[in-house]
Amino acid sequence: DTGVSQDPRHKITKRGQNVTFRCDPISEHNRLYWYRQTLGQGPEFLTYFQNEAQLEKSRLLSDRFSAERPKGSFSTLEIQRTEQGDSAMYLCASSESGARGYTFGSGTRLTVV
Amino acid sequence: KQEVTQIPAALSVPEGENLVLNCSFTDSAIYNLQWFRQDPGKGLTSLLLIQSSQREQTSGRLNASLDKSSGRSTLYIAASQPGDSATYLCAVGREYGNKLVFGAGTILRVKS
Repeated sequence: DTGVSQDPRHKITKRGQNVTFRCDPISEHNRLYWYRQTLGQGPEFLTYFQNEAQLEKSRLLSDRFSAERPKGSFSTLEIQRTEQGDSAMYLCASSESGARGYTFGSGTRLTVV
Repeated sequence: KQEVTQIPAALSVPEGENLVLNCSFTDSAIYNLQWFRQDPGKGLTSLLLIQSSQREQTSGRLNASLDKSSGRSTLYIAASQPGDSATYLCAVGREYGNKLVFGAGTILRVKS
């Protein structure tokens, strides 16, 4: 088990373009979370899945954001019509039902120019 | 709404010092509390997890305590080393398996 994997590590995009990030959780973890972190701040919750069901979405997740977790395995986070304010580190985490804590990936750094 | 505060925001100490990082939270109805380490531009590495029924957890030179009734946790680092330099984040979980609420972190610099 190699932990939580995120791809890409870095993404630079022009304002108005769409971007998609991928997260592969630890295989036996049925819960998957997305967080966003801006410079000097702690991560902020965006959304989470239990298996393939999206159980909660933050108000931070505007209608330009969509997340999926088909088949309860990997997850994708898409941002449409990116804005400069979307520039941040996007972090994925997973946990198992036994609530043994959360394992985070290395994140995807998004820069919108 | 749960709010998590970490004090100090930044700390610079000479190598070998013992130090304490503080975390406070406004809603004591937590399920667990987790301390993370984050190196610049990297993801989060879990250090210690304390369940709400526990008072402390230890791993090597690290010791974390939890006082749920007063809404406080501390992370104690013994004999600090330059390799300990990083941002330390505290996060609380409200319910079983639910989302975490993070503090803004403490930036630690250990000088050699």
